Amino acid sequence: NAGVTQTPKFRVLKTGQSMTLLCAQDMNHEYMYWYRQDPGMGLRLIHYSVGEGTTAKGEVPDGYNVSRLKKQNFLLGLESAAPSQTSVYFCASSRGQATNEKLFFGSGTQLSVL
Amino acid sequence: SQQGEEDPQALSIQEGENATMNCSYKTSINNLQWYRQNSGRGLVHLILIRSNEREKHSGRLRVTLDTSKKSSSLLITASRAADTASYFCATVRLNSGNTPLVFGKGTRLSVIA
Repeated sequence: NAGVTQTPKFRVLKTGQSMTLLCAQDMNHEYMYWYRQDPGMGLRLIHYSVGEGTTAKGEVPDGYNVSRLKKQNFLLGLESAAPSQTSVYFCASSRGQATNEKLFFGSGTQLSVL
Repeated sequence: SQQGEEDPQALSIQEGENATMNCSYKTSINNLQWYRQNSGRGLVHLILIRSNEREKHSGRLRVTLDTSKKSSSLLITASRAADTASYFCATVRLNSGNTPLVFGKGTRLSVIA
């Protein structure tokens, strides 16, 4: 099993450009998450989904949009990239609520916005 | 905002020594989880301890939970160079429904061979 796969692994954008990060999981998990990791800040939740067709805001949702059209995929979009969005982005999935379930993480996408 | 805060921020030890990392949190929780992150990689789940548990073991890992002090500790015994990584605690607030895990900022562990 591949687990959680993120594409691309690296990307450089200019301010104002748009892009979509793709997350795919093959574990039939209901829950999926997008976190960003910045030096000294730990992981912060951007958006998450508790099932196909659902999305919810996390701690730092501004400037991002998400979609969960298929259960196995969770897309993170940046409509107009800003330098403050330079970060490492991690997708994760879990079988159910974090109350009882562990998260499985992808290997990350390193994004630089110039 | 971070629910859990790890301490220390960084720890350097010799191979074979034990490493202890602490996590403090602010509100009552359902469970607490520990994750490891190797440099340039995603996080990997290590252990989950529920609020009604006080101690849990997994191989060389020992996790304790003190809900009265709102704190947890992760002990790695007989450390190896391969244990070099960042370690994060993550919590779920009690009665928070579908709220996802909230991660701390991590402890960076260096094990010197």
